[in-house]
Amino acid sequence: NAGVTQTPKFQVLKTGQSMTLQCAQDMNHEYMSWYRQDPGMGLRLIHYSVGAGITDQGEVPNGYNVSRSTTEDFPLRLLSAAPSQTSVYFCASRPGLAGADTQYFGPGTRLTVL
Amino acid sequence: AQKITQTQPGMFVQEKEAVTLDCTYDTSDPSYGLFWYKQPSSGEMIFLIYQGSYDQQNATEGRYSLNFQKARKSANLVISASQLGDSAMYFCAMRGNTQGGSEKLVFGKGTKLTVNP
Repeated sequence: NAGVTQTPKFQVLKTGQSMTLQCAQDMNHEYMSWYRQDPGMGLRLIHYSVGAGITDQGEVPNGYNVSRSTTEDFPLRLLSAAPSQTSVYFCASRPGLAGADTQYFGPGTRLTVL
Repeated sequence: AQKITQTQPGMFVQEKEAVTLDCTYDTSDPSYGLFWYKQPSSGEMIFLIYQGSYDQQNATEGRYSLNFQKARKSANLVISASQLGDSAMYFCAMRGNTQGGSEKLVFGKGTKLTVNP
């Protein structure tokens, strides 16, 4: 198993540009989520999904959209990038609501918005 | 609301010695889970150990153990026989709830551990 994969690893955007951060997992996990990590802070939840077709907002959802059309994929979209979205983005997954608690993280995407 | 506090921004330990990283938490939920993650300089988040609030025994995983004191609301990570490769940021996290009632991980701000040869 590849686990949780994220692409790209690094990205530089200009203010106002849009892009999609990709996340995929091959463990058939029901639960997937996106976090952002800012300097000096722990991770904060952006959006999450408890299964295909179901998504909901986390702590810091503004400026981000998500969709979950398949169990495997959970892309994060930035519609109009802002400098405040400069951060490291982590995707995570875990088996399910009744499954093990452990969340497994992808390697992260480092995003810079100029 | 759930909260995790890690009061040690940085810690130093000699190779082969043990070190304790502190974590206190706050929650009103009777059922919760506590996690420790390691983040090396390469940036990935590596799961280390998990403790459930109803677990009777402290969790252990190899050189990692979690000193769980429920009454004190603390969940300290103990690393025995430190190795140079243990140098990293360490995050304590708790399974909490979003306003919508679903789960999320609440993270502390982390402790940077440096292992000296």
